Amino acid sequence: QQQVKQSPQSLIVQKGGIPIINCAYENTAFDYFPWYQQFPGKGPALLIAIRPDVSEKKEGRFTISFNKSAKQFSLHIMDSQPGDSATYFCAAGDSSYKLIFGSGTRLLVRP
Amino acid sequence: GAVVSQHPSWVICKSGTSVKIECRSLDFQATTMFWYRQFPKQSLMLMATSNEGSKATYEQGVEKDKFLINHASLTLSTLTVTSAHPEDSSFYICSANPTTSGSPDTQYFGPGTRLTVL
Repeated sequence: QQQVKQSPQSLIVQKGGIPIINCAYENTAFDYFPWYQQFPGKGPALLIAIRPDVSEKKEGRFTISFNKSAKQFSLHIMDSQPGDSATYFCAAGDSSYKLIFGSGTRLLVRP
Repeated sequence: GAVVSQHPSWVICKSGTSVKIECRSLDFQATTMFWYRQFPKQSLMLMATSNEGSKATYEQGVEKDKFLINHASLTLSTLTVTSAHPEDSSFYICSANPTTSGSPDTQYFGPGTRLTVL
């Protein structure tokens, strides 16, 4: 009930490509869906977040698509750059402010 | 922007000793802080919710007598790993929500503390 399933586990794209990372959840009490970027040895940094009342949100090169009926959401990175190479985590939260994280996706963007 | 610091950034200790990790919100007050553990190449697992002025709330499977949490002020939470063993070696990360935010959108994460138990 509390799990957040994330795929793929790893992803390799060429510079300029559009990597897509997917997440799915079960608990309908979740109402906050953030994406985090983490570099090795560092804490996660918030990229973008969405709430169930909208189906899409864009911030710069990052876009979240949200499908409430399917209980799925995804991250798209436009015009990906080598500097985007990192591990990306989706998460889900509720009114308790606790976050349940997905398993992570290791992204490599080749020059 | 809001900053959360952790100290130390890394620590090596002998098996059986205790280690204290500090989490500070530098420019805001946080009634609630969270502690996570992350093993290499794995996800962040929530360990406990730290509440200022009251007992911490632990997630299922986390030993509260082993991982002592104290939230003594609105800007400081500490995690003490008691009688540490090699299997406790991990990356410990805290996060904090500003007391005035009223929203999880402003949860800030610390840089993490790497614990190695020999």
